[in-house]
Amino acid sequence: NAGVTQTPKFRILKIGQSMTLQCTQDMNHNYMYWYRQDPGMGLKLIYYSVGAGITDKGEVPNGYNVSRSTTEDFPLRLELAAPSQTSVYFCASSYSRADTQYFGPGTRLTVL
Amino acid sequence: AQSVTQLGSHVSVSEGALVLLRCNYSSSVPPYLFWYVQYPNQGLQLLLKYTTGATLVKGINGFEAEFKKSETSFHLTKPSAHMSDAAEYFCAVSVNTNAGKSTFGDGTTLTVKP
Repeated sequence: NAGVTQTPKFRILKIGQSMTLQCTQDMNHNYMYWYRQDPGMGLKLIYYSVGAGITDKGEVPNGYNVSRSTTEDFPLRLELAAPSQTSVYFCASSYSRADTQYFGPGTRLTVL
Repeated sequence: AQSVTQLGSHVSVSEGALVLLRCNYSSSVPPYLFWYVQYPNQGLQLLLKYTTGATLVKGINGFEAEFKKSETSFHLTKPSAHMSDAAEYFCAVSVNTNAGKSTFGDGTTLTVKP
């Protein structure tokens, strides 16, 4: 049982490039979340999903997109990367709403 | 909407001393409360949680927290700090509505001095 896996671990992008951060969970959780963590700050919710085919915006969705075609996968797409998107990105999942969240190891993204 | 405030972004204790990390929350409905720990270059992992029932909650690694509704607090304690407790700690609140999204505090970095 791998839990929540994220790829890549590290990435450097140039301004204006795009990329997809991958997130997969093998716990059959319905709820999945994407957060960003900036230095000295807590986690800010970017997007979340309550099940396959259903996604919604979180606190800081601008510049990002998501899709949820399967229960297992919840990729995060960055279009036209900007320096303000330099951050550590965490994917998480939970079995039910308001329940414990299980986090992936994170993707450290730098936009230059 | 819910919110959480962690008092003190940095806490330093000596090995063997009491650890006390403070968390206050705001919620219009009964909250679910969590403490997560983050070690360097890792994701967050659950230390303990309160949902309903007993207000004193015990977690992993000797940590515990007490839900005090009258004080809207959920402080994290450990009687005797170990060097391995050095990490960042996050308090989080969620409610069983609105997709159950969690709101996280800004975190408290715990340093343990030998």
